[in-house]
Amino acid sequence: DTEVTQTPKHLVMGMTNKKSLKCEQHMGHRAMYWYKQKAKKPPELMFVYSYEKLSINESVPSRFSPECPNSSLLNLHLHALQPEDSALYLCASSQPWTSGPYEQYFGPGTRLTVT
Amino acid sequence: DAKTTQPPSMDCAEGRAANLPCNHSTISGNEYVYWYRQIHSQGPQYIIHGLKNNETNEMASLIITEDRKSSTLILPHATLRDTAVYYCIVRVASNTGNQFYFGTGTSLTVIP
Repeated sequence: DTEVTQTPKHLVMGMTNKKSLKCEQHMGHRAMYWYKQKAKKPPELMFVYSYEKLSINESVPSRFSPECPNSSLLNLHLHALQPEDSALYLCASSQPWTSGPYEQYFGPGTRLTVT
Repeated sequence: DAKTTQPPSMDCAEGRAANLPCNHSTISGNEYVYWYRQIHSQGPQYIIHGLKNNETNEMASLIITEDRKSSTLILPHATLRDTAVYYCIVRVASNTGNQFYFGTGTSLTVIP
């Protein structure tokens, strides 16, 4: 099974709402990632978790709050977002670098619209 | 961080080889070159990666120059389903995971 699943597929939220994005993998990967992708732009790295601990935060605003409750699950909690945060949010997983140059597997993404 | 430079767009006739170039002149000795593609509104799909030697798998071939400052992804017989944005990525060496910093990519259109 080489699948990364993301829910929901689409999400519309108001600027005062609180919502969460969910990502799951069952490949035994111990590194998980969140990316943000605006229309016609490349994905931008947001967060990296390695062995369930946050190892990289690419200066992401605090209205985005990641969580890795176990090795298979990655959440992204959203609060007080702005319309410019509307984007495709991609989750990925891989073995950590210490295990070798493994590729990342990406999920299909959550299309987020902030109104 | 090593940066990548790719042409913004390319066309290729169906059935012909598609050769996608990438420059990564600041690559470090232990940094790998990865190629991914992204079909419209889907998640990026892994194609191939390499360090020094040329690599081939069922999807593509990767040719890396001897000085490692550039590489070429070759799709040997392009089909319409290969129309996508192709990203060349230099992986930043880290013990925390494979941090990928995507360049702007090449939009490949396969023409019937």
